[in-house]
Amino acid sequence: AQKVTQAQTEISVVEKEDVTLDCVYETRDTTYYLFWYKQPPSGELVFLIRRNSFDEQNEISGRYSWNFQKSTSSFNFTITASQVVDSAVYFCALGFNAGNNRKLIWGLGTSLAVNP
Amino acid sequence: IAGITQAPTSQILAAGRRMTLRCTQDMRHNAMYWYRQDLGLGLRLIHYSNTAGTTGKGEVPDGYSVSRANTDDFPLTLASAVPSQTSVYFCASSRGTSGTEGNEQFFGPGTRLTVL
Repeated sequence: AQKVTQAQTEISVVEKEDVTLDCVYETRDTTYYLFWYKQPPSGELVFLIRRNSFDEQNEISGRYSWNFQKSTSSFNFTITASQVVDSAVYFCALGFNAGNNRKLIWGLGTSLAVNP
Repeated sequence: IAGITQAPTSQILAAGRRMTLRCTQDMRHNAMYWYRQDLGLGLRLIHYSNTAGTTGKGEVPDGYSVSRANTDDFPLTLASAVPSQTSVYFCASSRGTSGTEGNEQFFGPGTRLTVL
């Protein structure tokens, strides 16, 4: 079965702290895709990153970095020197092909509060 | 470039009424999706369309119908609304339905629907 677990329901940090959001996935597929999305208080869902299963290279984008570890089935997201604007719900998702269809399995999200 | 637009932004509806949520994208994406987001349940797929002229059922399709007459539009209809359909509805699109590219989904701003 395909599954995404975001064990941290809520995280609260003080501005400038580093914070890591965990994502653990389950799949038997050899080809799959992992995503992170951000949902700020305004409500829109913003795509952050996609990783393909054959590309374990970690990614850094400014203060954001992602660590993909196939050995532990994890795709963790770290925000360095967090800012109040980082306050949002963050979703991890697993994508895979089911016949001719693309399926996306979503985690339940981690609510991050960055306090000044 | 607008990306994905949804209308209305919010709506209060009496139970039993028919309602169509509109979704339009200008990115010429092949695939489109409708999700509902409920507290504690995350994002759940209602219906999807891999390409114009085709539709498929998602995780929670009952009580909803969709059509895909052209590439840009993907309306979601509630034939006879019930209070359990109170939710935030998101439309999304993605470029591809095959290969490894174009997996990521881009979301509209959402429609907040309340059924009384």
